[in-house]
Amino acid sequence: QSALTQPPSASGSPGQSVTISCTGTSSDVGGYNYVSWYQQHPGKAPKLMIYEVSKRPSGVPDRFSGSKSGNTASLTVSGLQAEDEADYYCSSYAGSNRIFGTGTKVTVL
Amino acid sequence: EVQLVESGGGLVQPGGSQRLSCAASGFTFSNYLMSWVRQAPGKGLEWVANIKQDGSEKYYVDSVKGRFTISRDNAKNSLYLQMNSLRVEDTAVYYCARDRWYYYDNSWRYYGMDVWGQGTTVTVSS
Repeated sequence: QSALTQPPSASGSPGQSVTISCTGTSSDVGGYNYVSWYQQHPGKAPKLMIYEVSKRPSGVPDRFSGSKSGNTASLTVSGLQAEDEADYYCSSYAGSNRIFGTGTKVTVL
Repeated sequence: EVQLVESGGGLVQPGGSQRLSCAASGFTFSNYLMSWVRQAPGKGLEWVANIKQDGSEKYYVDSVKGRFTISRDNAKNSLYLQMNSLRVEDTAVYYCARDRWYYYDNSWRYYGMDVWGQGTTVTVSS
């Protein structure tokens, strides 16, 4: 039950794109098409941004997109906006368990 | 409005116990699997436990097995986490979350944790 691996930080200027990776194993990320991504602003609860690798819940801007290749999933935020500055966590279904990533702080320069 | 509200956090000594509650409203609580997720100060999210809709199956992260018990009362629209033998490393904000599945194209699919409470803080310290 080790955490999925994410880079600690990522940054970009307004309007640019940033991509965050999330690496797991064949028992979690690679084994299921059930990778989710969560956005968390300081002092707030997480918010679901992506489910099933690449699907967006209603109300999430299409600037957010997800993908997966093998044991690594990715979140791309295009057209960065100031309000996108937050911590981002990936998560994978792993049978009866859930596993979160280590988290990535996205800074909008 | 779909809402989850946690309560029961506080300061507890190492080795002590604490019971967290999560009150659900705005949706049919008994239809959903539910999870507890925690976040230690300055750290990332950690899934703690989940429970099936009827309470028949419960799963835990290894670090809390044998110490924490998740339960629910569908008549009261409430989720609980009984925490015993608490350790300093259990200090965290504890969130309850709706752990949603949906039915599409003749199969159940995992949607993710789509509703979260505001969290309740548990501090384990002497």
